[in-house]
Amino acid sequence: EPEVTQTPSHQVTQMGQEVILRCVPISNHLYFYWYRQILGQKVEFLVSFYNNEISEKSEIFDDQFSVERPDGSNFTLKIRSTKLEDSAMYFCASSDNRGLGNQPQHFGDGTRLSIL
Amino acid sequence: GNSVTQMEGPVTLSEEAFLTINCTYTATGYPSLFWYVQYPGEGLQLLLKATKADDKGSNKGFEATYRKETTSFHLEKGSVQVSDSAVYFCALSSYNNNDMRFGAGTRLTVKP
Repeated sequence: EPEVTQTPSHQVTQMGQEVILRCVPISNHLYFYWYRQILGQKVEFLVSFYNNEISEKSEIFDDQFSVERPDGSNFTLKIRSTKLEDSAMYFCASSDNRGLGNQPQHFGDGTRLSIL
Repeated sequence: GNSVTQMEGPVTLSEEAFLTINCTYTATGYPSLFWYVQYPGEGLQLLLKATKADDKGSNKGFEATYRKETTSFHLEKGSVQVSDSAVYFCALSSYNNNDMRFGAGTRLTVKP
């Protein structure tokens, strides 16, 4: 069964450094998402992406964050200048919903980001 | 705005016990409802879904029925196994937007 893959599984970065989290969505999916889960807390929506542009973003997704689909397969999340509070598990997801909310999103295994 | 509330955990059960994890939602319109499961060290896996009122989602012995009158989507399983130990998340998405809203998650531990 096709799956969403994320790399690396664990990223350790110094505060203030830039970090790029990478995702390969399921190949025929059209919508891509990033979520984060701070340890012990709920999964929070960050951003959705369709047709090479952001379709929705949450209040968490401020100017420090950006997303990009640099080629036909990768979908990246960049944090420009990391803060301690960015430490979390980051999940990528994709769906083939063509804008309909009734299709499930398929999640990767996540990247654990630790900011020192 | 849309939101999901699920019962606080952790929940500890003995093998073969009956499981209920409560989930209620607040949403405009007619959301789709999902249960995701997160096994230790892994990502979120779709467990089941329901897209309209009175639909029942089912998978691996788990069931949940979309109840519009009570705005609920409770997860049930008649006989849990040790391998069901995980964190369970209730979630919803609206018809016309793409962000999925998750509950806080309920950690289930099943003891032999």
